[in-house]
Amino acid sequence: EAGVVQSPRYKIIEKKQPVAFWCNPISGHNTLYWYRQNLGQGPELLIRYENEEAVDDSQLPKDRFSAERLKGVDSTLKIQPAELGDSAVYLCASSLWGDYGYTFGSGTRLTVV
Amino acid sequence: AQSVTQLDSQVPVFEEAPVELRCNYSSSVSVYLFWYVQYPNQGLQLLLKYLSGSTLVKGINGFEAEFNKSQTSFHLRKPSVHISDTAEYFCAVTKNSGGSNYKLTFGKGTLLTVNP
Repeated sequence: EAGVVQSPRYKIIEKKQPVAFWCNPISGHNTLYWYRQNLGQGPELLIRYENEEAVDDSQLPKDRFSAERLKGVDSTLKIQPAELGDSAVYLCASSLWGDYGYTFGSGTRLTVV
Repeated sequence: AQSVTQLDSQVPVFEEAPVELRCNYSSSVSVYLFWYVQYPNQGLQLLLKYLSGSTLVKGINGFEAEFNKSQTSFHLRKPSVHISDTAEYFCAVTKNSGGSNYKLTFGKGTLLTVNP
């Protein structure tokens, strides 16, 4: 079984530029999460999807961040424009509804210079 | 809201020694508890989870954890560590709401370094 696939693995951009991250969850997993992990910290939830519906986006900075999960499968997280403080690892995870304990992808390490 | 405190940011040990990584949580409702491991440049891998039942939970790679409700703790233990256990370990909590709220709140992590 393929795991949660994220791309790119690394991204370096200049501040004020846009950036997008892509996530392909495990087949059949209807719940998808985006977490942000700052250096030396634990991950923090940005947004959670049940199928194609964003059911918890309270921690998503909506002035510059956006996300979508078309057809309830793949998801894209976008930042526009990026700021220096957005440098972090962005983790995608998925799970079956009612299954506690997600499967995480390897993450995208974003560096904003 | 829930919170997690991992009491040690770094734990150095020698190979084949026992180790305990400490985790305390705070919540006004009942919770589910988890330990994840993160190897360098990797995502997080679930080690074990406590949902209900026996308070002693066994996970992968020889790790186990004990849920102590009175002390609001969920410490992770391994009787004999290997060099390959060197990684960052995260404790996490979510409220037991019986619904679909699976927001995990993570601690700041404990870096376990196993020395030869």
